[in-house]
Amino acid sequence: ETGVTQTPRHLVMGMTNKKSLKCEQHLGHNAMYWYKQSAKKPLELMFVYNFKEQTENNSVPSRFSPECPNSSHLFLHLHTLQPEDSALYLCASSQVGSTPTQYFGPGTRLLVL
Amino acid sequence: GENVEQHPSTLSVQEGDSAVIKCTYSDSASNYFPWYKQELGKRPQLIIDIRSNVGEKKDQRIAVTLNKTAKHFSLHITETQPEDSAVYFCAATPTDKLIFGTGTRLQVFP
Repeated sequence: ETGVTQTPRHLVMGMTNKKSLKCEQHLGHNAMYWYKQSAKKPLELMFVYNFKEQTENNSVPSRFSPECPNSSHLFLHLHTLQPEDSALYLCASSQVGSTPTQYFGPGTRLLVL
Repeated sequence: GENVEQHPSTLSVQEGDSAVIKCTYSDSASNYFPWYKQELGKRPQLIIDIRSNVGEKKDQRIAVTLNKTAKHFSLHITETQPEDSAVYFCAATPTDKLIFGTGTRLQVFP
């Protein structure tokens, strides 16, 4: 349960705010992912980082800005979000080159007012 | 790219009955098929997975079957219990990027 951690667990922000979500993995993995989970799209891949390099941007609006300073940490910077961005944001990690099992963090529940 | 379809979207069963969830995939190069369980308010957790060189895998009350020719795979839960109630996601991948199905909400009634 503590292999992948995320902070904060809950976040309420206004549309003009800037906030960041943090993810940390303690599994020694080399790939990290951001997903958006909402009622409309249960598990929507947003970004993929392999060895700290972004390898996938799944047509995500620029108001979401990822950052991966090292293979253990992943951030999602948020600015000028819209109410429809309210969702659960899940981070996951895996070991590229081995079994592609992804391990998820507990998620950040985001509410945009 | 890969596309995964999952059925049914909701499934209600009586405790002790079996439950079956089915997924189809489009990319014949997909070679890894995990199943995740997500309880209310919790993270998705891997419950079982299967590789394309195997047709069936069991773990206690849970089993997964794979038909590569038809490009479909299924999750079977026997002797269901109320704690099996959750949303279940299938996924497929030919690479390291998992493509998830849309989920099945399973309710097990006592």
